[in-house]
Amino acid sequence: GAVVSQHPSRVICKSGTSVKIECRSLDFQATTMFWYRQFPKQSLMLMATSNEGSKATYEQGVEKDKFLINHASLTLSTLTVTSAHPEDSSFYICSASPAGGLREQYFGPGTRLTVT
Amino acid sequence: GENVEQHPSTLSVQEGDSAVIKCTYSDSASNYFPWYKQELGKRPQLIIDIRSNVGEKKDQRIAVTLNKTAKHFSLHITETQPEDSAVYFCAARPNKFYFGSGTKLNVKP
Repeated sequence: GAVVSQHPSRVICKSGTSVKIECRSLDFQATTMFWYRQFPKQSLMLMATSNEGSKATYEQGVEKDKFLINHASLTLSTLTVTSAHPEDSSFYICSASPAGGLREQYFGPGTRLTVT
Repeated sequence: GENVEQHPSTLSVQEGDSAVIKCTYSDSASNYFPWYKQELGKRPQLIIDIRSNVGEKKDQRIAVTLNKTAKHFSLHITETQPEDSAVYFCAARPNKFYFGSGTKLNVKP
């Protein structure tokens, strides 16, 4: 149980284009999903907290107009990187906390984004 | 907000020895403390967690201790094996997760 999928696993895009990343909880409902960014050999940096049916809460320094988050249902959240630039290249990981759970989170496999 | 500090940043041990990783946190509202193991290019995997109403938890070779008064918690791995080599992250959750900076554990055969 508690499986989270993420798609795509890898994406290469040209500078100026937009990329959408999907995060799904496969066998549980998630009222809250988190989006992280991880640079090589560094820790996970929380970008935003996504709650189903309401606007995402962004961390300080994260541009909400650049990183669009939509939590459309209890099993799906999407992150869209708009007008991507090479500095947006990173490993993006989502996680989901089960509704009614004991505060744990389960991570997706991550998406490696490369902007050329 | 919460601030989680993790030490050491790297740790090298001989196979069979024990490894200890320590974290401190600042927000007394934090009540959930998970530990994750991350292998290169993969997702973090939850290996053990502890809640604020418990002082110690053990799962086979892995244990976690929590001192709420001092606001620190530690991961203990006994009888280390080469497959324990990875990066380990601690985290604290008041309302969202705050991660430590990570510890790269190298277990030498």
